[in-house]
Amino acid sequence: DTAVSQTPKYLVTQMGNDKSIKCEQNLGHDTMYWYKQDSKKFLKIMFSYNNKELIINETVPNRFSPKSPDKAHLNLHINSLELGDSAVYFCASSQTSVETQYFGPGTRLTVL
Amino acid sequence: SQQGEEDPQALSIQEGENATMNCSYKTSINNLQWYRQNSGRGLVHLILIRSNEREKHSGRLRVTLDTSKKSSSLLITASRAADTASYFCATGTGGGNKLTFGTGTQLKVEL
Repeated sequence: DTAVSQTPKYLVTQMGNDKSIKCEQNLGHDTMYWYKQDSKKFLKIMFSYNNKELIINETVPNRFSPKSPDKAHLNLHINSLELGDSAVYFCASSQTSVETQYFGPGTRLTVL
Repeated sequence: SQQGEEDPQALSIQEGENATMNCSYKTSINNLQWYRQNSGRGLVHLILIRSNEREKHSGRLRVTLDTSKKSSSLLITASRAADTASYFCATGTGGGNKLTFGTGTQLKVEL
């Protein structure tokens, strides 16, 4: 019954590694997002895809690459991880013309 | 710079009391939304108010919007311990349904 799911829930890795976070929504929405929440709980949008097309790309280092294989999935790949990448990453989805966003449970990334 | 600033940063009340949180923003908006985040969980949408609306109710929630002052408030009446969470305002400015979140208010409701 999970509407927006993310895997993994926790990710601990060394600096310099490459990792991916996966997101899936079963709500039939056409828009998906990635947000980053820092240690002070500040939440900032990173990317947004509509029907597999990138429509929002905030000033995020190009080490971060989103990939949307279909409308129901939006994955986030991060290359050459840095200490400052440690945060909670949230996936969300919505339907065009409906502004409410539905969030996943988050992935806590810790870079050592 | 971030769009929304929330006030207070933290609020502690007794069960049954009302809780009021305020949000200020800087630019024109299409809508303003409030979300709740329980500890270690994702955000849950509570209520949306459009830029041409001044007040909206949903159950124990009341939201006001003053576009001239670029501010909004969220009132939770008759609070319960289960209302303990962080509350965020988020402004929607169109253009891909981009939401800009405020800094959040941490609410603690004690028995």
